[in-house]
Amino acid sequence: EVQLVESGGDLVQPGGSLRLSCAASGFSFTNHWMSWVRQAPGKGLEWVANINQDGSEEHYVDSVKGRFTVSRDNAKNSVYLQMNSLRAEDTAVYYCARDPFGYGTIFDQWGQGTLVTVSS
Amino acid sequence: EIVLTQSPATLSVSPGESATLSCRASQSVGHDLAWYQQKPGQAPRLIIYGPTTRATGVPARFSGSGSGSGTEFTLTIHSLQSEDFAVYYCQQFNNWPPLTFGGGTKVEMK
Repeated sequence: EVQLVESGGDLVQPGGSLRLSCAASGFSFTNHWMSWVRQAPGKGLEWVANINQDGSEEHYVDSVKGRFTVSRDNAKNSVYLQMNSLRAEDTAVYYCARDPFGYGTIFDQWGQGTLVTVSS
Repeated sequence: EIVLTQSPATLSVSPGESATLSCRASQSVGHDLAWYQQKPGQAPRLIIYGPTTRATGVPARFSGSGSGSGTEFTLTIHSLQSEDFAVYYCQQFNNWPPLTFGGGTKVEMK
């Protein structure tokens, strides 16, 4: 069974940092792009970042460029999101998601999400 | 950035009826569109991609279509079941980054 389990969400002050983790199991992790998608409370979905199979290619939505960094450890079947200089507008549930086809473009498996709250 | 506009925002439908959801792209995305279903408190679920292929395990009452222009897409849910009441999002993957989602359509019980 495919599983994605996020962790690391917390309450953090504006300007603070947080590192999210996503542990994958039940599939060949090294074959798949992985993404982070977020959802602010009561709002829609927003793609945040993705990373290719060997970690050599990353992409970000403009609003997080220079502040967030996506990475992966294939030995640990895990993907990470380092979030720095956090703002109130980064408050959201953060999901990690798997692309099924190797192109980083759609999401066929999702984690349960982890809540990040940025507030003083 | 490609903007996706979904309509209507809310659709009230009786069980057993059909629902037609629309997604319009600000420029052509070809066939590179997907639909997701999200129920309260749950992660989204991939329903349709490509834009007519159902994801694994998705019932045949869900169907997707697209216009030749690559800007107009429709998700149709035939004979709505109780488990189909949810929010549906479209997403384009033609021109990225960024990958973008529409604002969602809530399908509620009439």
